[in-house]
Amino acid sequence: DTVLTQSPALAVSPGERVTISCRASESVSTLMHWYQQKPGQQPTLLIYLASNLESGVPARFSGSGSGTDFTLTIDPVEADDTATYYCQQSWNDPTFGGGTKLELK
Amino acid sequence: QVQLKESGPGLMQPSETLSLTCTVSGFSLTSNGVGWVRQPLGKGLVWMGTIWAGGSTNYNSAVQSRLSISRDTSKSQVFLKMNSLQPEDTGTYYCARHNSGYGFDYWGQGVMVTVSS
Repeated sequence: DTVLTQSPALAVSPGERVTISCRASESVSTLMHWYQQKPGQQPTLLIYLASNLESGVPARFSGSGSGTDFTLTIDPVEADDTATYYCQQSWNDPTFGGGTKLELK
Repeated sequence: QVQLKESGPGLMQPSETLSLTCTVSGFSLTSNGVGWVRQPLGKGLVWMGTIWAGGSTNYNSAVQSRLSISRDTSKSQVFLKMNSLQPEDTGTYYCARHNSGYGFDYWGQGVMVTVSS
């Protein structure tokens, strides 16, 4: 299985730029996707195929990367962005990263 | 619009067989896949398996021996059956639209399943 590693938590102030990283144990090309999950809710797709913004998602969100290193960027961060963010690869059987909990100062 | 909704029992006993239903609307099961994702309380997401548009299935190797996913296209329903339940199978089970190479673009609200004696 492809293991995805994310930092467990980040704290930023509203208006700042934040980058959330995801590292894959092997190359997944650009078959990487990002999700946002707010407490008590189901995940929602933010970015697909590494850099494509899902319809309806604010342009403050962007994704980049290929191979083994990927980044989700939120710029600027808003209070409503408090959530856990997951990366997921589809190069082989789907696996998710452990999630990065974003807190606002 | 695209919607998915999970249903099933909330409380199960160890060794029992779990049966969940995902009822979809706004898209065709013969054109799209549906996957199941489990989330233990307070923990991360784990893909369980997917039934693809053509009807074939793929399962997570960790549960493959206990899991079966099927569908009834006439009723727009996808079914998950998992036997030999253990307390560690406790969690929220989500169904989500899933197409090969892509992410899970629409999710149900999830159903909480507790396995306890």
